[in-house]
Amino acid sequence: DAKTTQPPSMDCAEGRAANLPCNHSTISGNEYVYWYRQIHSQGPQYIIHGLKNNETNEMASLIITEDRKSSTLILPHATLRDTAVYYCIVRVAQTGNQFYFGTGTSLTVIP
Amino acid sequence: GAVVSQHPSWVICKSGTSVKIECRSLDFQATTMFWYRQFPKQSLMLMATSNEGSKATYEQGVEKDKFLINHASLTLSTLTVTSAHPEDSSFYICSARASTGYNEQFFGPGTRLTVL
Repeated sequence: DAKTTQPPSMDCAEGRAANLPCNHSTISGNEYVYWYRQIHSQGPQYIIHGLKNNETNEMASLIITEDRKSSTLILPHATLRDTAVYYCIVRVAQTGNQFYFGTGTSLTVIP
Repeated sequence: GAVVSQHPSWVICKSGTSVKIECRSLDFQATTMFWYRQFPKQSLMLMATSNEGSKATYEQGVEKDKFLINHASLTLSTLTVTSAHPEDSSFYICSARASTGYNEQFFGPGTRLTVL
């Protein structure tokens, strides 16, 4: 079962930062937070993951609260191609551990 | 790197026939592959976990005799939908986890199955 809660939809103006929240209040100490996105009719695309420290890569930044009960994915300058469903997933980073997808957030970037 | 392919990308079949979908990791070895199903406007639902050289582990409610999974090599897993019915029409997606210790999974582009 998915252990995360995300708003069903969000809008963001093109060029502005998109901040996507995720609640994972029951996260365990050894569970990572992963973010994926799915553009319509494609397979999910990995974005970023983290344990407790904030993370940044070429796609996005991940901010995890100190108590680890919530996190925010930040797309610093949203483009129209960032329109997608964004999934926040928590799981233990071990071989064979499955991903259980929640309902995700449908982000629409508006011109 | 870390590319996963699926074949075919779409397939249309008649009710009662069987359909095989291939999932390949192109540039890495995957001891574990996963199969998901996604209905329109819904999230991905994990169907089964496939480990190379052993039997797949199915999620609760997924019929193992209907959805046959074979993971015969470190780069190939297949899902066969047997005796397909219109309610099996869906978007089937596989993912693969590298053997070298990456934490993330890499997803294929998906296969659209339509059963008439």
